[in-house]
Amino acid sequence: DGGITQSPKYLFRKEGQNVTLSCEQNLNHDAMYWYRQDPGQGLRLIYYSQIVNDFQKGDIAEGYSVSREKKESFPLTVTSAQKNPTAFYLCASSGTGVSGANVLTFGAGSRLTVL
Amino acid sequence: KQEVTQIPAALSVPEGENLVLNCSFTDGAIYNLQWFRQDPGKGLTSLLLIQSSQREQTSGRLNASLDKSSGRSTLYIAASQPGDSATYLCAVIPLDSNYQLIWGAGTKLIIKP
Repeated sequence: DGGITQSPKYLFRKEGQNVTLSCEQNLNHDAMYWYRQDPGQGLRLIYYSQIVNDFQKGDIAEGYSVSREKKESFPLTVTSAQKNPTAFYLCASSGTGVSGANVLTFGAGSRLTVL
Repeated sequence: KQEVTQIPAALSVPEGENLVLNCSFTDGAIYNLQWFRQDPGKGLTSLLLIQSSQREQTSGRLNASLDKSSGRSTLYIAASQPGDSATYLCAVIPLDSNYQLIWGAGTKLIIKP
């Protein structure tokens, strides 16, 4: 079945460490997204990519980095520069353009906790 | 800047009741509005999509309406069931957003057996 796989589901980080969250999709979608979700807040866009080897910053990109070397993969690195990284991270993919953006498919999420 | 608000943040009702969830947005210049469902600790699933030219969409016991002039959408759930318990989020795609969604914070719904 087509879908998005995020790993790990749970991750613990010590202060000063970088960690990488994996996101893989087999939907042949051009666009991929990373969102952060905190209690009581809407989803906030970290980074998005509409094509391989290209990505743009979202609303809260500081302290995060991404790469898009393959269409299927869009890993997110949470760097030590992110001062409050404890959150639930969601990866999504879609087609491009307004009709494609309608078909937004989400992974199951990764919960990052800073110890 | 477009803002999306969902009130209340949480709602608890007995099983079998019909209920309405609210979503408001500050700018009616949108491509569409979507309602999503999120189960605890899980990703989101799209429930209904309303294009800007439409007034409502229906899927089973769910009916969503859109009034761009007043900046409001409602999600109506008929004959609620315990399995409907989840967080419901709405999101809009503004016309000037490069097709990026703007999200509400969600309403956490609990259906009591």
